[in-house]
Amino acid sequence: AQKITQTQPGMFVQEKEAVTLDCTYDTSDPSYGLFWYKQPSSGEMIFLIYQGSYDQQNATEGRYSLNFQKARKSANLVISASQLGDSAMYFCAMREGLGNDMRFGAGTRLTVKP
Amino acid sequence: DAGVTQSPTHLIKTRGQQVTLRCSPKSGHDTVSWYQQALGQGPQFIFQYYEEEERQRGNFPDRFSGHQFPNYSSELNVNALLLGDSALYLCASSLGTSGRPDVGELFFGEGSRLTVL
Repeated sequence: AQKITQTQPGMFVQEKEAVTLDCTYDTSDPSYGLFWYKQPSSGEMIFLIYQGSYDQQNATEGRYSLNFQKARKSANLVISASQLGDSAMYFCAMREGLGNDMRFGAGTRLTVKP
Repeated sequence: DAGVTQSPTHLIKTRGQQVTLRCSPKSGHDTVSWYQQALGQGPQFIFQYYEEEERQRGNFPDRFSGHQFPNYSSELNVNALLLGDSALYLCASSLGTSGRPDVGELFFGEGSRLTVL
């Protein structure tokens, strides 16, 4: 069964505007971590932001924030003030409980227009 | 501070051959994970090495094997290559991740792109 679902294969946003990338997840483990990674064309996965299942507040890292809705099992990434350099693939991922593996979604390709 | 380095960056093999991919973790990291990323998909976990032993394995056949050396570097070996093994192979390092989902942020290399003809 798919653990991480990203329903937006591609998204477009105007430079300097905000954009939300969707992510829903499925787990029965009460302890888990949610991650967002950016993958430019070079291939390297760049860590953006982390949200723990027990965290009371939504995570923020600079222009990135995570809209964590635990009851709905969603962890959407919000990028504010988009820049041309934000154009890349974005992956949502989850690590469950005692597991050492990280499960990734299929990704969303974000294109920032000038 | 050197990040995760992988070699080779690109390689082409034919079906039935064997391939070895190499990874040097970020300085100070002791755990190496390998992921396979097929075109247009998210990475899939192959296995993780810690203290020179395979600690966890994903849903990959025994043709995929690995090794971790005392200096924490790692190799991924794939035997009897199939066309479907064509993918970007990503190595990720972390620090002693075990049992806690919130620790051990993964640092990825740029990957080795394998093409099987």
